[in-house]
Amino acid sequence: QKEVEQDPGPLSVPEGAIVSLNCTYSNSAFQYFMWYRQYSRKGPELLMYTYSSGNKEDGRFTAQVDKSSKYISLFIRDSQPSDSATYLCAILQGAQKLVFGQGTRLTINP
Amino acid sequence: GAVVSQHPSWVICKSGTSVKIECRSLDFQATTMFWYRQFPKQSLMLMATSNEGSKATYEQGVEKDKFLINHASLTLSTLTVTSAHPEDSSFYICSAKRVSYEQYFGPGTRLTVT
Repeated sequence: QKEVEQDPGPLSVPEGAIVSLNCTYSNSAFQYFMWYRQYSRKGPELLMYTYSSGNKEDGRFTAQVDKSSKYISLFIRDSQPSDSATYLCAILQGAQKLVFGQGTRLTINP
Repeated sequence: GAVVSQHPSWVICKSGTSVKIECRSLDFQATTMFWYRQFPKQSLMLMATSNEGSKATYEQGVEKDKFLINHASLTLSTLTVTSAHPEDSSFYICSAKRVSYEQYFGPGTRLTVT
């Protein structure tokens, strides 16, 4: 079983829609969860990180962690064409090793 | 803040030659830097962790004699791909740890070995 699993998509939605991106993880000991955005042929950009369970909001983005089901989510409200990118979830293994999901390719259609 | 650069952004080399890729943290000091590899439409795979002034720690399956890493200062780490072969063609990305658990990534280097 992979440590982090993420549906690669692709996911295509109309502009203005609410987008839900999800990952599952295998080890209940994981505490830090990150979301990165990667545009084509660029390095990943840290969007948000959360510790343990709960929600964290930053503008149009909300990260959610459900430790009971080992499920992490990223919600994008009022999606824009500029949000079109690959979104990668990652968990922190140990003190500093990031383990990434496969990434979900998202397209927002004008 | 938290900007990481890589040079070059794209390099083409002939099979059997060596290529050096630089990773710099521009506005912060990074005691730890990381090197990843990413194949098309796939996720990032950690290759090695680089600590300033000490030897790099390589992930299982990564040849340390082929992928030489030097972390010479708090703002610079280099990855040298030695005796490159076409199967080494990939997107190489570095990251630098600033504080806590945050890693900031460089823009990546596309290596093509002919």
